Amino acid sequence: DADVTQTPRNRITKTGKRIMLECSQTKGHDRMYWYRQDPGLGLRLIYYSFDVKDINKGEISDGYSVSRQAQAKFSLSLESAIPNQTALYFCATSERPGQGYTFGSGTRLTVV
Amino acid sequence: AQTVTQSQPEMSVQEAETVTLSCTYDTSENNYYLFWYKQPPSRQMILVIRQEAYKQQNATENRFSVNFQKAAKSFSLKISDSQLGDTAMYFCAFMKRRGAQKLVFGQGTRLTINP
Repeated sequence: DADVTQTPRNRITKTGKRIMLECSQTKGHDRMYWYRQDPGLGLRLIYYSFDVKDINKGEISDGYSVSRQAQAKFSLSLESAIPNQTALYFCATSERPGQGYTFGSGTRLTVV
Repeated sequence: AQTVTQSQPEMSVQEAETVTLSCTYDTSENNYYLFWYKQPPSRQMILVIRQEAYKQQNATENRFSVNFQKAAKSFSLKISDSQLGDTAMYFCAFMKRRGAQKLVFGQGTRLTINP
């Protein structure tokens, strides 16, 4: 099994719908992150969490919310999806500074 | 705020050639980490190499090496003896040594290795 699992792998949804992207990890890391990837923009941070009671906004949090249900689970929600939220979304974990992240395999979300 | 710039959106070389991908960054921090990630068509993000800013020696991992120029804030990736499997998107990324361990990414360079 993958260390960081994201579901679904691909999703098409309609404008205005609520959608949740899920992430779970078996690494035992406290720190978890959500990024979105857009062509020409690289990856940008949406939210991050240090534990279940510590949630922080990243640089592009508008239109998104998160929930840290347990150390191992960190979900990203789009309350009312819009087409410019079409992107590749990554969840990642981190153990300690300088080691980099362990990434999930991404969720490709298309909002039509 | 930190920024990372990759000025080469696309590059293409022949198999077995050497290729260098450029990355510059802007920060007021003195202690930080730099990374190169590879994203093949499978879209998985794979760590290629990392550099600690307080270390003078350039990092090397097999065919991958970096040229870290701290004063110039430059962090290029050299791939020697390129292989078809090196075809991927490559991202340069920055992390402060202190704080939330947030990775700041560049825009990416799409590298194609031709047979």
